[in-house]
Amino acid sequence: DTGVSQNPRHKITKRGQNVTFRCDPISEHNRLYWYRQTLGQGPEFLTYFQNEAQLEKSRLLSDRFSAERPKGSFSTLEIQRTEQGDSAMYLCASSLQGQERNTIYFGEGSWLTVV
Amino acid sequence: SQQGEEDPQALSIQEGENATMNCSYKTSINNLQWYRQNSGRGLVHLILIRSNEREKHSGRLRVTLDTSKKSSSLLITASRAADTASYFCATGVSGGYQKVTFGTGTKLQVIP
Repeated sequence: DTGVSQNPRHKITKRGQNVTFRCDPISEHNRLYWYRQTLGQGPEFLTYFQNEAQLEKSRLLSDRFSAERPKGSFSTLEIQRTEQGDSAMYLCASSLQGQERNTIYFGEGSWLTVV
Repeated sequence: SQQGEEDPQALSIQEGENATMNCSYKTSINNLQWYRQNSGRGLVHLILIRSNEREKHSGRLRVTLDTSKKSSSLLITASRAADTASYFCATGVSGGYQKVTFGTGTKLQVIP
C-alpha cells in the first residue's frame, strides 16, 4: 500500500481566493474522510464519503466548503473565498468497509495559510 | 465538538521512563483508538481496543479500557526520544460507518 496521499502539502493563499486540496486514499478503501486540525487541537470531522456518496457533513463545513469524490476514488476539498479562520491543516483519511479493525489511515495533511 | 479528553495535556519524562496518558469520553462507544502525531505531520494509528476488551498490548504499548468509567489509558514503557509526539484518543461509535471523534491530545516530550 502506498498510503493516503495528499497534495499540496502546503498552500499559502490570499484572503478571498479559492483553494483546492486533493486526497488519494489507499487503493480499494471505499470510505474517505476529511478532518480539519488547528494548532493545539485534535482533528475535527468535516465530511465522510462512502464510495462516491457524501453521507455526512459536519456543521463546520460551511457553504464555502465543498467536497467531492466523483468516481469513488480520489477526493477534492475546495474552499471558496478563503478567510483567515480557514488557516489549518486539512487531513484526509480512508478505511475499508467491513475491515474488522475499522482502522482509519491518515495522510500527512495539507497545511493552509490564509494571509 | 470533542468527544474525548486526554489527560495530562502535556507530559515530560526522561528516556527509559514509562509514560501514561489517560482519555475520558462521554458517550457509549464501539471502540477506542490511539493515534500518534509528530509535529506538523499526519496521524499514525497505534492501537484499537473494542468496547468488550479491557486490555490490549502492542510492543511497548499497553492500552486499557474501562467502559463503566468511560475512560482509557495508554502506557508507553521504556520511552525513547523518538516517542516525543502528541497522542490522541479517538472514539468510534455506531452510525452506519466508523465515525471517529478525537480528543485534544497529550503532548509527550521524552528527554534523552
